[in-house]
Amino acid sequence: KAGVTQTPRYLIKTRGQQVTLSCSPISGHRSVSWYQQTPGQGLQFLFEYFSETQRNKGNFPGRFSGRQFSNSRSEMNVSTLELGDSALYLCASSLRGQGSGEQYFGPGTRLTVT
Amino acid sequence: GEDVEQSLFLSVREGDSSVINCTYTDSSSTYLYWYKQEPGAGLQLLTYIFSNMDMKQDQRLTVLLNKKDKHLSLRIADTQTGDSAIYFCAESPYGGATNKLIFGTGTLLAVQP
Repeated sequence: KAGVTQTPRYLIKTRGQQVTLSCSPISGHRSVSWYQQTPGQGLQFLFEYFSETQRNKGNFPGRFSGRQFSNSRSEMNVSTLELGDSALYLCASSLRGQGSGEQYFGPGTRLTVT
Repeated sequence: GEDVEQSLFLSVREGDSSVINCTYTDSSSTYLYWYKQEPGAGLQLLTYIFSNMDMKQDQRLTVLLNKKDKHLSLRIADTQTGDSAIYFCAESPYGGATNKLIFGTGTLLAVQP
C-alpha cells in the first residue's frame, strides 16, 4: 500500500506570492492533518480535515487555509507569503476522524520564501 | 496549557540502550506517540501506546507510560548508528475527540560507533 504523498517536495516563492501544497493520504484513510515545522517553533498543528470538513484549526492567521476533496486528498494554501512562512509542511493521514491511533506522515514540502 | 517536554540531546555508544524521556500535559490524552525524523525527511511513526496501557514492546523498542506523572519513555535496545535521528513524542489530547497531535521539541540522539 502506498504511503502518504506530498507534492511538490520543494518550492521557492517570493514574498507576497501565494502557494498551494497537496497531500494524498494512504488509500482508505479519510482524515488529513497539516503541520508546520520550523527550527524556532518546532512542529505546530495547522488544521485537520475529515470527510471534506475542517474539524480543527491551529493558531495561524487567515492567510493559511485548506480544503479536502471527496477522494480525501487535501490541499493547503498560503496567501501573501512572508519570510517567516519558510518551513517544512507535513501532512498526516489517519483512518478515522477521531481516536485513530496510527497517524502516518508524508515526506513534507520544503517551502522557502525569499 | 499544551506543552510536551523532552530533553534536547542524548549521546550513547553503539550497542548500549538509549532511553528518551517525555512529559505531557493532557491527562485525557488517548494515544501517545513516538516519531523518528532523519535529516531532510518526514516523520516516521515508530510506535504508539494507548493510554490504558503501561508498557508496549515492539522488537528493540519499549515504551513505558506513567499516567500519574504524565511521563512517557522510549527505550531502544542495542542502539545502532542508524538510530541516530531526532525523536519526537506526541500526545493526542482532548480525549481523542480529534486527530490533532501536540509534539515535543524533539530529542537528538547521537550514536557513537
